[in-house]
Amino acid sequence: DAGVIQSPRHEVTEMGQEVTLRCKPISGHDYLFWYRQTMMRGLELLIYFNNNVPIDDSGMPEDRFSAKMPNASFSTLKIQPSEPRDSAVYFCASSSPGLAGGPFTGELFFGEGSRLTVL
Amino acid sequence: AQSVTQLDSQVPVFEEAPVELRCNYSSSVSVYLFWYVQYPNQGLQLLLKYLSGSTLVKGINGFEAEFNKSQTSFHLRKPSVHISDTAEYFCAVILAGGTSYGKLTFGQGTILTVHP
Repeated sequence: DAGVIQSPRHEVTEMGQEVTLRCKPISGHDYLFWYRQTMMRGLELLIYFNNNVPIDDSGMPEDRFSAKMPNASFSTLKIQPSEPRDSAVYFCASSSPGLAGGPFTGELFFGEGSRLTVL
Repeated sequence: AQSVTQLDSQVPVFEEAPVELRCNYSSSVSVYLFWYVQYPNQGLQLLLKYLSGSTLVKGINGFEAEFNKSQTSFHLRKPSVHISDTAEYFCAVILAGGTSYGKLTFGQGTILTVHP
């Protein structure tokens, strides 16, 4: 089975440009998460969705960041305009409660990440 | 709110030696605990998890961890490491029972380097 698929794997852009990162979760997973990883701050949860609905976006750093999940198989994280401090690896992860209606148990399946460099 | 502290940022060890990566958590209620591993240029993958039951849990690649409620610890151990175990390891916690609605909290990570 295919895992979580992210694109692009690498993105180099100039300050001020718009960046769009894409994610396809594992089929049947109803939770989707966006994380950012940097040396200074480690892994940070930016936002997560349940059944395509944003549940908690308190980790989104500022209004330049936005995320959407138009359907169960696709999500985007957009940065507009981008800044050098946005340089990081962005991970998408998906999960499922396992049992229908069961509690979320925290097992995440991560994509390989999108490495963003903003010059 | 729950938190996780990984006590060592880097752990160097020789091949075939035992290793312990330390993790302490803070929470006033029951939690689920996890260890994830991240190999270079890859995403994180689940190594093992503690949800309930036996406090000694076994994971992939010969790793195991012990949940100690009195010491609020969840240390990861392997009796004999291989070069291929070189990676960064993350301890993570979430409130039990689904009440945290998906907010997994990760520690800062421990880089394990296995030398020949």
